[in-house]
This record gives sequence, C-alpha cells and structure tokens, in this order.
Amino acid sequence: EIVMTQSPATLSVSPGERATLSCRASQSVSSNLAWYQQKPGQAPRLLIYGASIRATGIPARFSGSGSGTEFTLTISILQSEDFAVYYCQQYNNWPPLTFGGGTKVEIK
Amino acid sequence: QVTLKESGPVLVKPTETLTLTCTVSGFSLSNARMGVSWIRQPPGKALEWLAHIFSNDEKSYSTSLKSRLTISKDTSKSQVVLTMTNMDPVDTATYYCARIRGGSYKWFDPWGQGTLVTVSS
Repeated sequence: EIVMTQSPATLSVSPGERATLSCRASQSVSSNLAWYQQKPGQAPRLLIYGASIRATGIPARFSGSGSGTEFTLTISILQSEDFAVYYCQQYNNWPPLTFGGGTKVEIK
Repeated sequence: QVTLKESGPVLVKPTETLTLTCTVSGFSLSNARMGVSWIRQPPGKALEWLAHIFSNDEKSYSTSLKSRLTISKDTSKSQVVLTMTNMDPVDTATYYCARIRGGSYKWFDPWGQGTLVTVSS
C-alpha cells in the first residue's frame, strides 16, 4: 500500500498571501496524483489531477507540481473562500487508492 | 450535470449490516469509462477509499476491509449499492460516493453530499 504523507498538518496564512502544501508518497506514483479541497460540512471537491492539471472551473491561483514521490499544491493569492482542508490522493498503484492525512489552511 | 446522492440508515447497531445506495444522474453506469466509488470519512479524520465498480462489473475493494464489503450496481435504476457487514462503532463516518474514471484516471469527481452513519447500540 502506498502511504501518502501531507505536511504541514495545519498552515496559518493571511489572506492575499501564498500557501504551499506538500504531499509525499512512500514510493513513486509518477504523475498520478490528485488534490481535493474540503470545506466544513461539505464533500471534497477535485482541484487538480495528473499532478498539475486543474479540474474544470478551478481558478488559476491553484497550481500543482511534482512527480514521483514529492508533490506541491500552491495557492498563489489566498482568498477567504480558500480556507479549507486539502487532501492529496494517489491513483498509480491500487488497490487501495490512498489519500493523505490532509492539510488544514487556516486564517492567520 | 452529473450528480450523485447517497442514501441509507442514519444509525446502525454493532454487528449489523450496513446497506448504502448511491443514485447517480447525468451519466450512465453502462458507460465504459465511468464507475462509482465509495469513500468514507470518520468525524474529524481523513478520507478512506472503500471500493469501486465499473460498467463491466469490474470491482475493487480496500484490502483492509475486503472481507466485509460488497459493491454492486443496478444500471436500470442508476444505482450503486455498498454493503458492509459486522458494523462497529469505529465505522462511524460520513460515507460518500463519487464518480471515478476508468483506466489510469482514477480520481474522484464529482462527489455526492455524503451521508453520516453512526454505529451505536
């Protein structure tokens, strides 16, 4: 099973600043990585797939990068609606499909 | 517009079997490139993939829960059903269904709203 580790667990950022979230895989997942955003009381929403491809309707301030075992989600200019929990998920080796533990982006 | 909606009991007792239904619209369960997954999330915790099923009846299960899970579909009703046996309080979670693509494209989009299932006597 591929273990996905996200860091930090919590990221305190001021609106208008940049947020950088990390996701590490226990073995290579190539570019088969997705990112999701989850707001309180809501279902997750797909942001990024293929490590760097924005899903339909996702603003350009969200960008993904990386391959192999190291990945980054960057939110270039944090808006109030971006404060949420973010999860990475690998789909290179399965079963099982696995998620990271999440990074909470909170207002500083 | 693609939508998915979960339904099932809010409360189950320990040792009982949970049956959840996902009703989809905006796509067909007979589409060769589409499937449905179940994912759960205990309160305040991370997401855990449980199972998926595709149009050709290809199924896959969480390795740790495989002995307790069964996934099936009724294409005519646009429904996917997940059963989980021998429920325990640690299975208390919000259960989501989500569309999944076939081949190498196994990300989840979109998701249903989720249904909270509590396991308690």
